[in-house]
Amino acid sequence: GAGVSQTPSNKVTEKGKYVELRCDPISGHTALYWYRQSLGQGPEFLIYFQGTGAADDSGLPNDRFFAVRPEGSVSTLKIQRTERGDSAVYLCASSPLAGGLYNEQFFGPGTRLTVL
Amino acid sequence: GENVGLHLPTLSVQEGDNSIINCAYSNSASDYFIWYKQESGKGPQFIIDIRSNMDKRQGQRVTVLLNKTVKHLSLQIAATQPGDSAVYFCAETYSGGYQKVTFGIGTKLQVIP
Repeated sequence: GAGVSQTPSNKVTEKGKYVELRCDPISGHTALYWYRQSLGQGPEFLIYFQGTGAADDSGLPNDRFFAVRPEGSVSTLKIQRTERGDSAVYLCASSPLAGGLYNEQFFGPGTRLTVL
Repeated sequence: GENVGLHLPTLSVQEGDNSIINCAYSNSASDYFIWYKQESGKGPQFIIDIRSNMDKRQGQRVTVLLNKTVKHLSLQIAATQPGDSAVYFCAETYSGGYQKVTFGIGTKLQVIP
């Protein structure tokens, strides 16, 4: 079956612009996660959705970052007034359930964001 | 070849040799640990996991060892192959509630043919 997909695969924008990054999780997966990965670093947690609601957004660096998942499936990560420091690979992951025993997270290929 | 901790971000091994990648985790409350493999241009891929009530778990060509006393995790890859070349991350989480996963820095494994 299809895995997690993310679009676009690459996004180049100018400082100050607004960007949206899309994640299509595996069908039926309840939990969805966004991570940010800088060059040479491990993925850094941003936000977690359980269904439609953001259960934990403690990883979002500031109020320029926002994410939604209105129908409990596709999620969009939105970044306002982009800064050069936002340049990174943004990874999305989904898992079948959340809570209780660990459920494996399946990662998408990521969106490489470059802010000029 | 053996990589002690994550101070050596790159590990080079000959094809056919065994690889050992080490990781020190930080949170004493973590009770679930995962090793991920990340190839260039791809997202992390689950390799093997281990719960804190175990000290060893084996998969296909891979073994994970957990030492809770010193908060140390290692990944052993037997008969390393060129396809094993990638960056390997250890990650920690806890099974209560949802699973916020904290990743380590990563070790790049280079397999020399």
